[in-house]
Amino acid sequence: AQRVTQPEKLLSVFKGAPVELKCNYSYSGSPELFWYVQYSRQRLQLLLRHISRESIKGFTADLNKGETSFHLKKPFAQEEDSAMYYCALSGNNQGGKLIFGQGTELSVKP
Amino acid sequence: DAMVIQNPRYQVTQFGKPVTLSCSQTLNHNVMYWYQQKSSQAPKLLFHYYDKDFNNEADTPDNFQSRRPNTSFCFLDIRSPGLGDAAMYLCATSATGTSGRGEQYFGPGTRLTVT
Repeated sequence: AQRVTQPEKLLSVFKGAPVELKCNYSYSGSPELFWYVQYSRQRLQLLLRHISRESIKGFTADLNKGETSFHLKKPFAQEEDSAMYYCALSGNNQGGKLIFGQGTELSVKP
Repeated sequence: DAMVIQNPRYQVTQFGKPVTLSCSQTLNHNVMYWYQQKSSQAPKLLFHYYDKDFNNEADTPDNFQSRRPNTSFCFLDIRSPGLGDAAMYLCATSATGTSGRGEQYFGPGTRLTVT
């Protein structure tokens, strides 16, 4: 079965602390993994994708095929990082359909 | 700016009264998606159009239909809304290549209330 699991509904950290939002997936093939973010009162938007292997707003995510994980990390959280984060998977030949995880709300306190 | 537009942003309908939500895009993307998102839940794909080809998800109720008259517009029709259909409806677009994958661009959503 194709599934994306984000075990934490809410993650609360202080400004300057490291952040790791967990994502595990289940897919029999070679999926493409994404992190989407939704800031308050804004539309859902792409944060990063695993094939880009780039850092966006200080966030990075590495695809670990052995552990079937795609955790999102940032060494020093900022208040403006507070948002809802969704991990998503796209499989082969599926018209680009996304399977979303349940989402993790990140709250960065001053 | 190229974007995905959804109208209206808020829609109130009565139980059983048909309602149509609209989505338009200026990105000229070949794929358009409709998602349903209930409170504190992940977006759930209802169906998508790959060009003119309609693809329904297996668990999408028959109560939900969609139309795509041209590349730019896509409509979500709910034939007989029930209280359980109250949700945020998200439209998204993507330009997919032969691999079938691409970044999705989301609209702001339409929040549907059923009274």
